[in-house]
Amino acid sequence: DAGITQSPRHKVTETGTPVTLRCHQTENHRYMYWYRQDPGHGLRLIHYSYGVKDTDKGEVSDGYSVSRSKTEDFLLTLESATSSQTSVYFCAISREVNEQFFGPGTRLTVL
Amino acid sequence: GENVEQHPSTLSVQEGDSAVIKCTYSDSASNYFPWYKQELGKRPQLIIDIRSNVGEKKDQRIAVTLNKTAKHFSLHITETQPEDSAVYFCAASKEGAQKLVFGQGTRLTINP
Repeated sequence: DAGITQSPRHKVTETGTPVTLRCHQTENHRYMYWYRQDPGHGLRLIHYSYGVKDTDKGEVSDGYSVSRSKTEDFLLTLESATSSQTSVYFCAISREVNEQFFGPGTRLTVL
Repeated sequence: GENVEQHPSTLSVQEGDSAVIKCTYSDSASNYFPWYKQELGKRPQLIIDIRSNVGEKKDQRIAVTLNKTAKHFSLHITETQPEDSAVYFCAASKEGAQKLVFGQGTRLTINP
């Protein structure tokens, strides 16, 4: 697997609390992506980054923000978590747009 | 924007038989088509991809075919084995798009 890790791997939180998920890569890839995966919806893009401090929205960005202050880290923040954000979150990296490699995932439960 | 439709959503085949999963895309400018395999509880992993300048690509028991005119591409798995059981995702992207668009996924079950 490509050098990509996610933390935490599991998290349970309460509605209304802020949550930050971290994606860390050791590949020096330019592109980084955050997806959520829910039954029946496949992989849906939340936000992505095409360089340090360069980010853009995906198809399901409402309620999420991201930051990338250095090449190796891409943070996903839920400002005020809701039950609808209970999901498995995957980070992905790619040197070019193609050939994305996924991290191990974070299972988030919002009670 | 690009839209990718994947069929069937579930597929069950006997061990040793072949399996075919098909995806259609909407944007004729799309030029890169990867397939990912996701085993239960694991991350999606790239298993094969094809670019628009070729019509077919093979890697052992798996192959992908592309029909640019009809805007569809397919994953073919021959001599299926129990370890082929997984969810398979197709995707598409075009030059300059900066992202992949994924299909909804196909749950493939290989029956012994």
